[in-house]
Amino acid sequence: SQQGEEDPQALSIQEGENATMNCSYKTSINNLQWYRQNSGRGLVHLILIRSNEREKHSGRLRVTLDTSKKSSSLLITASRAADTASYFCATDTVNTGFQKLVFGTGTRLLVSP
Amino acid sequence: DTEVTQTPKHLVMGMTNKKSLKCEQHMGHRAMYWYKQKAKKPPELMFVYSYEKLSINESVPSRFSPECPNSSLLNLHLHALQPEDSALYLCASSQVARGNQPQHFGDGTRLSIL
Repeated sequence: SQQGEEDPQALSIQEGENATMNCSYKTSINNLQWYRQNSGRGLVHLILIRSNEREKHSGRLRVTLDTSKKSSSLLITASRAADTASYFCATDTVNTGFQKLVFGTGTRLLVSP
Repeated sequence: DTEVTQTPKHLVMGMTNKKSLKCEQHMGHRAMYWYKQKAKKPPELMFVYSYEKLSINESVPSRFSPECPNSSLLNLHLHALQPEDSALYLCASSQVARGNQPQHFGDGTRLSIL
């Protein structure tokens, strides 16, 4: 069953603007990960945030995690046309032993020049 | 360039055919994964291999048969597939199958069942 719901489903912005995507999930997690998928390609890992962390940065990316609300957000600052892709959150749930990622519904981001 | 290589990139097969998808990684990872992704949907986990042993099977129909001949290779054998099995099949790997591990994905095999 699908664990994460993401919103918005689609987001269209201009280059230089910031993009924020949100992810909500249902059960306790070990970690939450964000991935990017360009059209027709595989997924690229962006950031992993552990359940005991609240915020993480990587270059122009900022991820927050609120375990009390079971939600996470991905902020891309100063967006570029090359950021155009689908973005997925994925949760690694507790008590599954082996890592078992469950992906959210995804946000399609379009960045126009 | 991706560090996980999948072949073929595209595959068209009839419902009575037998074919195999291949995945290879040379990062020394000991966990490998198969996912199925339908158009405009998120990937869904099918199988997890840890140290060449099948650790998770997400109730996948037996017409999909995974195999891990060694730590670098992962195969998915296909037989008597249905049209609804048409999808992008993604392979991924991680250092190990436990703990906080990012996964590295190949570009997938786009499978069409006639």
